[in-house]
Amino acid sequence: DVKVTQSSRYLVKRTGEKVFLECVQDMDHENMFWYRQDPGLGLRLIYFSYDVKMKEKGDIPEGYSVSREKKERFSLILESASTNQTSMYLCASSEPGGFSGNTIYFGEGSWLTVV
Amino acid sequence: EDQVTQSPEALRLQEGESSSLNCSYTVSGLRGLFWYRQDPGKGPEFLFTLYSAGEEKEKERLKATLTKKESFLHITAPKPEDSATYLCAVQPPSNTGKLIFGQGTTLQVKP
Repeated sequence: DVKVTQSSRYLVKRTGEKVFLECVQDMDHENMFWYRQDPGLGLRLIYFSYDVKMKEKGDIPEGYSVSREKKERFSLILESASTNQTSMYLCASSEPGGFSGNTIYFGEGSWLTVV
Repeated sequence: EDQVTQSPEALRLQEGESSSLNCSYTVSGLRGLFWYRQDPGKGPEFLFTLYSAGEEKEKERLKATLTKKESFLHITAPKPEDSATYLCAVQPPSNTGKLIFGQGTTLQVKP
């Protein structure tokens, strides 16, 4: 089975703190993604990475950065957490997109509350 | 603009009452359409991938179908454990593997 593991399920951080969300996948997937999910807004892509040290901005990258130093690990960084970043964060991974679509597998999610 | 719209937003069924969820999309050159199930507080769980119009896939009480403009998730004789949010997503033509998600349909099946 594909396994995408997010290290923290629940976090409470203070405004202005630097926050690290870690994600590891065990399927040797090339692509990794960070989404956030909010009621009424659905899943929105923050950043994705298609190779080690490679990254591209998604739809809502402001206030976030990412790091991919190893193929299996993709980190999301909130440089200075703000209350509007309170959300559920989902990490995902997939094989590279070929002629046909490739399935994206998700982790269990990290609930972040910024107070 | 690539867009995915799911309807209805919420659906309440009695156990055994079959129904369908709709996912309409506007994407040129669709690479794939995906259905996920999401339980409260958890990440989306992959159900199906459909690649071309006319394709159908089944899993237990669920059957997904695809046309050129929409997909249906048919639920036959649902049980309370089928209660969840069902997400539809499309993959536009690119090599990044990005998905565009709909808002989801929250299904509640009452015993």
